[in-house]
Amino acid sequence: QSALTQPASVSGSPGQSITISCTGTSSDIGRYHYVSWYQQRPGKAPKLIIFDASDRPSGVSSRFSGSRSGNTASLTISGLQAEDEADYYCCCYRSSKTLVFGGGTKLTV
Amino acid sequence: EVQLVESGGGLVQPGGSLRLSCAASGFSFRIFGMSWVRQAPGKGLEWLSAISDSGDSTYYADSEKGRFTISRDNSRETLYLQMNSLRGEDTAVYFCAKDVSRTITHLDVWGKGTAVTVSS
Repeated sequence: QSALTQPASVSGSPGQSITISCTGTSSDIGRYHYVSWYQQRPGKAPKLIIFDASDRPSGVSSRFSGSRSGNTASLTISGLQAEDEADYYCCCYRSSKTLVFGGGTKLTV
Repeated sequence: EVQLVESGGGLVQPGGSLRLSCAASGFSFRIFGMSWVRQAPGKGLEWLSAISDSGDSTYYADSEKGRFTISRDNSRETLYLQMNSLRGEDTAVYFCAKDVSRTITHLDVWGKGTAVTVSS
């Protein structure tokens, strides 16, 4: 099963905002709001930062926001901080009753 | 504290088998779906399989159907992944993760992972 499409890397300066896109199909992002985003620092387990496309778990900074339109989901990080440097993965439920991840985006601050 | 601890990883020869375990604590294991996700060295996350809260429903990525079997023992609060006919490309860190629902939606708690190396 093909992965969701993310840019391999993005970069930004402290204080700036960046957006990471995640492109799927009408069988996943275009059909279901079960889009999530995960942050993974080197050597660590992934951490859920966005679920249902735009909701934040308790404890996650409001600097992280998500959206979904058509077959594309987006993660925006505002007020970039050095600690945001990590890999970010989108994920979505698919009509084949599976989950599919994006290839991951390396954020450099 | 909500916690997932994987075990059972290690070095296995090509064609061999391995059973991974994931011990849960700090939450009501029996009412949440669970998943296995792996990450090959230097690569991205790959979802492998999920199981519903009761264990009645199982879900697999197309790539692993037939070789991997997910199961759970709610009395022991433990998730399992039986892996057969292992190949070099199965070398990865294997994570178990808790779903926010009874089946498959979002993964809100992750273990630290257990490493599997397939090599002769």
